[in-house]
Amino acid sequence: AQKVTQAQTEISVVEKEDVTLDCVYETRDTTYYLFWYKQPPSGELVFLIRRNSFDEQNEISGRYSWNFQKSTSSFNFTITASQVVDSAVYFCALSEGGYSTLTFGKGTMLLVSP
Amino acid sequence: GAVVSQHPSWVICKSGTSVKIECRSLDFQATTMFWYRQFPKQSLMLMATSNEGSKATYEQGVEKDKFLINHASLTLSTLTVTSAHPEDSSFYICSARDSPQETQYFGPGTRLLVL
Repeated sequence: AQKVTQAQTEISVVEKEDVTLDCVYETRDTTYYLFWYKQPPSGELVFLIRRNSFDEQNEISGRYSWNFQKSTSSFNFTITASQVVDSAVYFCALSEGGYSTLTFGKGTMLLVSP
Repeated sequence: GAVVSQHPSWVICKSGTSVKIECRSLDFQATTMFWYRQFPKQSLMLMATSNEGSKATYEQGVEKDKFLINHASLTLSTLTVTSAHPEDSSFYICSARDSPQETQYFGPGTRLLVL
């Protein structure tokens, strides 16, 4: 069975600090996809990144970066120089085989204060 | 690209009435759409998978006669909450899967309050 664990329930930082959100997953499949979504207070889930199990390259997009390590089954998300607008709940999710449903972690609430 | 709309964004209704929520993929075709429910400060709970032209697949514990799903076209799925009761009050979110990208894109959600 697939499982996603986001151990950090809530993180509070001050603006401009770097912050890392942890995600650990479990799956028996060799082919799977990992995702990060952002849910701001408005409620809409915003897609941030998709990574397939065969691509372990880290990715950077502006202030966002992702570290995928199959050896530790982790897919961590780092925000550099955090801003107040980064305040949201962030969900990590897993899909096995590409055409199955998403399994979400419980989410990490990030609070960035001025 | 990959925009999903959901309507209405807010609905307040009396107990016993039915409420229909629409989910549309605006710039791509979605063979498969999903309906989720989210309680405050909790993660998303998958209710059902909606496939165009066929019956929806419901998750365990979700009443299919209570939550009617129709996926009549490649860009539209509807969720009807029949005979709504206060315990059905929640945040309902749909998603549409962009198959080539293997990615679900989410609508803005519908907040339902049943009085």
